Amino acid sequence: NAGVMQNPRHLVRRRGQEARLRCSPMKGHSHVYWYRQLPEEGLKFMVYLQKENIIDESGMPKERFSAEFPKEGPSILRIQQVVRGDSAAYFCASSPRQRRETQYFGPGTRLLVL
Amino acid sequence: KQEVTQIPAALSVPEGENLVLNCSFTDSAIYNLQWFRQDPGKGLTSLLLIQSSQREQTSGRLNASLDKSSGRSTLYIAASQPGDSATYLCAVRGSGGGADGLTFGKGTHLIIQP
Repeated sequence: NAGVMQNPRHLVRRRGQEARLRCSPMKGHSHVYWYRQLPEEGLKFMVYLQKENIIDESGMPKERFSAEFPKEGPSILRIQQVVRGDSAAYFCASSPRQRRETQYFGPGTRLLVL
Repeated sequence: KQEVTQIPAALSVPEGENLVLNCSFTDSAIYNLQWFRQDPGKGLTSLLLIQSSQREQTSGRLNASLDKSSGRSTLYIAASQPGDSATYLCAVRGSGGGADGLTFGKGTHLIIQP
């Protein structure tokens, strides 16, 4: 059973470009979470999705950031018009169904904005 | 707003020692608490998950305890080895309304000297 997969692992963008980060949850998992780890800071929750629904986006910046988890295919975290402050590691996690269950993390996408 | 604090921020000990990492959280209304390890440039590996109704969990040389009423958890590592060197993260999942994601501490950076 493959773990949580994220791609790309590393992404370089220039200011003003768009970044698209993909996450494929573990097989059988229908809950996806995105977190951001800024340099020298802890991980911060961004958004929680189930298939075709955003359940909680309380940690998501109000502008330029969006997330989706379509019926088919991976979850996508999209950052429009990137700025240098968006440089961070973005982690995706998945869990089967219940809130009480373990979240399994992917290896992360490291975004560098030049 | 939930806040998670980990003490110490860094720890360096000789191989073979038993050690304790501490985690405290401000809001005792939690579903569960999870301990992770993160290796440099890598994702998170889940070590132990303790439900709010549980007092402790064990896996191999690791033992985690939870005192929900006082807002504390400890991770005990027995007979430490150089391969245990990593950053250890504590995270809680709230049971109240609001964010469904995990709230993380900033971690304890552990070095085991051979």
